[in-house]
This record gives sequence, C-alpha cells and structure tokens, in this order.
Amino acid sequence: EIVLTQSPATLSLSPGERATLSCRASQSVRSFLAWYQQKPGQAPRLLVYDASNRATGIPARFNGSGSGTDFTLTISSLEPEDFALYYCQQRNLWPPLTFGPGTRLDIK
Amino acid sequence: QVQLVQSAGGVVQPGGSLRLSCAVSGFTVSDSGIHWIRQLPGKGLEWVAFLRYDGINKEYADSVQGRFTISRDNSRNTVYLQMHSLTVEDTAVYYCAKDRDNWNDGDFDYWGQGTLVTVSS
Repeated sequence: EIVLTQSPATLSLSPGERATLSCRASQSVRSFLAWYQQKPGQAPRLLVYDASNRATGIPARFNGSGSGTDFTLTISSLEPEDFALYYCQQRNLWPPLTFGPGTRLDIK
Repeated sequence: QVQLVQSAGGVVQPGGSLRLSCAVSGFTVSDSGIHWIRQLPGKGLEWVAFLRYDGINKEYADSVQGRFTISRDNSRNTVYLQMHSLTVEDTAVYYCAKDRDNWNDGDFDYWGQGTLVTVSS
C-alpha cells in the first residue's frame, strides 16, 4: 500500500498570501496524484488530477506540480473561500486507492 | 448536470446490515465507474470500493473485503453498497463518487452529498 504524508498538518495564512502544501509518497506514484478540497459538512471537491491538471471550473490560482514521490499544491493568492482541508490521493498502484491525512488551511 | 444523490444512512447494531444507494443523473452508471469512499468521524478519507464502468470489475479495500458488495441497477441508474457484519469501526460518512476517466480510473470528479452510518448498540 502506498502511504501519503502531507505537510504541514496546519497552515495559517492571511488572504492574499501564497500557500504551499506538500504531499510525499512512500514510493513513486509517477504523476498519478490528485488534490481535493473539503469544507466542513461538504464532500471533497477535485482540484487537480495527474499532478498538474486543474479540474473543470477550478480557478487558475490553484496549481499542482511534482512527480515521483514529491508533490506540491500552490494557491497563488488566497481568497477567503480557500480556507479548508486539502487532501492528496494517489492512483498509481491500487487497490487500495490511498489519501494523505490532510492539511488544514486556516485564516491567520 | 452531473449529480449523485445518496440515500439516508442510519443507526445499525454491530453485526447488522445496511444498504446504501447512490442515484446518479447527468450520466449513466453503465458508462462510468463509481467508487465508495468513507470518512471516519473527524478523520481523513478511506477508499472502500469500486465498480468499473463495465459492471464486471470490482475492487474492495481489505477492511471491507468479504463484508461489503458494490453493485448497480442500470435501469434505475443507481449504484449500491451492501454492507454486512458491520462493526463500530465502520461508523463513518460514506460518499459515492464518479470516476473521472474510464481509461485512467482511480480519481473522483463528482461526489455525492454523503451519508452517515452509525454502528452502535
């Protein structure tokens, strides 16, 4: 099973700032990594798939990068609605499909 | 407009059974893979099961293998998760989710609203 770790666990920033979230895999997942955003009481929403492809309707301020074992989600300028939980997920080797534990993005 | 609408969950005693449903619109279940994913209270996400678009290939997490069954009814455009031998560790919000790409399956572009399943005596 591929284990994903995310850092930091919590990130406290202000609107307008740049956010950098990291995801590391226990072994290579090539480029088969996705990022999701989840707000309280809501289902997750797909932001980025295959490491760097924005999903339909996702604003350009969300950018994914990386390959192999190290990945980054960057939010270039935080909007108030971006403060949420973020999960990475791999599909390179499954079952099982696995998720990281999440990064909580809080308003500073 | 793609939508996945889940049935209500409920409270079940340990050892009991429950069937969840996921009615979809805006696409057909015979053309798309569907996953079930769960979220333990206050915790992260755990993938549970997958039914490929062909209706034949199914995958399960080890934690539910032999207890849960994923199936679908094409005429109702609905996917089901039948759960047996439930334990308190199965208490979670369960989501159904559409697979993004039949030829590159394994991530999720649309999700249901979630259903709380509580296993408790």
